[in-house]
Amino acid sequence: DSGVTQTPKHLITATGQRVTLRCSPRSGDLSVYWYQQSLDQGLQFLIQYYNGEERAKGNILERFSAQQFPDLHSELNLSSLELGDSALYFCASSFGLAGVVGEQFFGPGTRLTVL
Amino acid sequence: KNEVEQSPQNLTAQEGEFITINCSYSVGISALHWLQQHPGGGIVSLFMLSSGKKKHGRLIATINIQEKHSSLHITASHPRDSAVYICAVSQGGSEKLVFGKGTKLTVNP
Repeated sequence: DSGVTQTPKHLITATGQRVTLRCSPRSGDLSVYWYQQSLDQGLQFLIQYYNGEERAKGNILERFSAQQFPDLHSELNLSSLELGDSALYFCASSFGLAGVVGEQFFGPGTRLTVL
Repeated sequence: KNEVEQSPQNLTAQEGEFITINCSYSVGISALHWLQQHPGGGIVSLFMLSSGKKKHGRLIATINIQEKHSSLHITASHPRDSAVYICAVSQGGSEKLVFGKGTKLTVNP
């Protein structure tokens, strides 16, 4: 158990819908990362938050957005869903000290299926 | 060309064999990570290294910064080691990870 929690575990929805994925980092970790794992693209970095602020952005679509709340949990919002958005979405956390690359601890993932 | 290349893509071994998985990268990095993804999907961080060698139980990870190459070794492999092993790098001062495509390891009893 990494200490990172994600809900829900599975999500099945229809095209055009909007969903919210939730992540709680390990106690004491300030950085949260979101990753997408699809069959054709593999694992890709989406976005990073540090202590409530966006720190880095990757291949995140405009239809996707994220935020980190004062209690440090994070939410990834996916809207106008398409079939191609079906994937495993992972959250990871690290302490996030500025300028220091730390080990990242992964949550169990949310499997999103868009029908 | 991917920034992180792994070989082999698939690997089948007999229980007890010594396993080596290789990772090459083409960018400057601050750290290299080895991850294990179980058949159920969960990802576990095995190692993070920026130089030299690290050992944890039957797992050994090495990195050669000059050659931009890392290896993950598993000694006395066991069926429970069956998983996908993923190499990832943190580029420069960034903490975001860039991933290889993974090596699927199957260890038969």
